[in-house]
This record gives sequence, C-alpha cells and structure tokens, in this order.
Amino acid sequence: DAGVTQSPTHLIKTRGQQVTLRCSPISGHKSVSWYQQVLGQGPQFIFQYYEKEERGRGNFPDRFSARQFPNYSSELNVNALLLGDSALYLCASSLDSDRGTDTQYFGPGTRLTVL
Amino acid sequence: GESVGLHLPTLSVQEGDNSIINCAYSNSASDYFIWYKQESGKGPQFIIDIRSNMDKRQGQRVTVLLNKTVKHLSLQIAATQPGDSAVYFCAETQQAGTALIFGKGTTLSVSS
Repeated sequence: DAGVTQSPTHLIKTRGQQVTLRCSPISGHKSVSWYQQVLGQGPQFIFQYYEKEERGRGNFPDRFSARQFPNYSSELNVNALLLGDSALYLCASSLDSDRGTDTQYFGPGTRLTVL
Repeated sequence: GESVGLHLPTLSVQEGDNSIINCAYSNSASDYFIWYKQESGKGPQFIIDIRSNMDKRQGQRVTVLLNKTVKHLSLQIAATQPGDSAVYFCAETQQAGTALIFGKGTTLSVSS
C-alpha cells in the first residue's frame, strides 16, 4: 500500500519567491497535517485540514497557507520566502481528526532551501 | 522524590544491548503519546503509541512506559540492532487536539 507521498523532493528558491508543496495522503485518510522541521529539531505543527476545512493552525505567519482538495490531497503555500523558511516540510495523514488521537503517518518530506 | 530519566541528546550502545530513550512531555492535559523514528533524509516513522489510561504497552522489541505523575515517557528497545540507528522523537497530543507536539530528539547510534 502506498504511504503518504510528497512532491517535490527537493526545492531551491530565492528570498521573496513563493513556493507550493504537495501532499497525497494514505488512501482512505481524510485528514492532512503539515509540519516544518528545521535541521536538528523536532517537527513543528503548521496546519491540519480535515474534510477540506482547516482544523488547526500553529504559530506561523500569514505567509503560510494551505488547502485540501476533494480527493483529500493538500497543498502548502509559502509566500515571500525568507532564509529562515529553509527546512524539511513534512506532511502527515490520519484517518479522522475528529477523534484527535488518530495516528499520524508521515511522508518523506520536501527539502526546501531558500538562498 | 522519584527519580526521572534524563533526556539525552545522544545514546550509543552495542549491538544486542537494550536501549532506553527518555522523554519529558510538557502538557498534563495530553492523553495520547507516540514514538517516532527518523532516519537521515526521511520522514518520521511510527513506532508505537500509548494512551493516557495505560502505563505500559509492548510491541515487537519495543516497550513504551508512561508515568503521568512526573510527565515522563520512555521507549525501550530490546536487542538493539544497527538498523535501529536513527533519531527518536516522542510526541504528545491533547484529547481534542489536532497538533502533535514533538519533544527533543535522541540520536541512537548502534555499533556492531
């Protein structure tokens, strides 16, 4: 069975540019969460979406936005990139966010480098 | 007072030894805890979870212990193998919450 997939694998952008990252959840999973992992640290929560609605948002600026599509895939957008946005962006899917305790399974991540 | 296992950023063991990785969690309202393994260049991989109404749960070669009194979580790996070398993170979430809060990772190095 396919796990969570993310694209692209790697991305290099310059300051001020915009980026879109994509995620496909495990088949049957309706909830997608996004995390940012800076080198040497644990992942930090950015967003969670369930049934196309935002269910949670972490402490990130408005430059970060996301959406979920009818097929439950998701996109994370980051505008006006800063050097500090360089990180591994992880997508995780879970069956049902309403229960709040469903296991989140992570994809391989997108490595974003901002120059 | 009760002693609490300290979080170590790195742990080095010999193949075949048992490993214990500790984690102190932050929120007494958290009721679901997960251990993830992250290998270099990969996303976190689910290992084992435990809910707050339990204090111990066993999987294949792994055991998680939960001490809610001192907000401490530990992961025990039996007969550690070189393939267990990775960074291990504990994560917590509240009952009605959505976000996982990750603890400080521990880098486990297994030498043969």
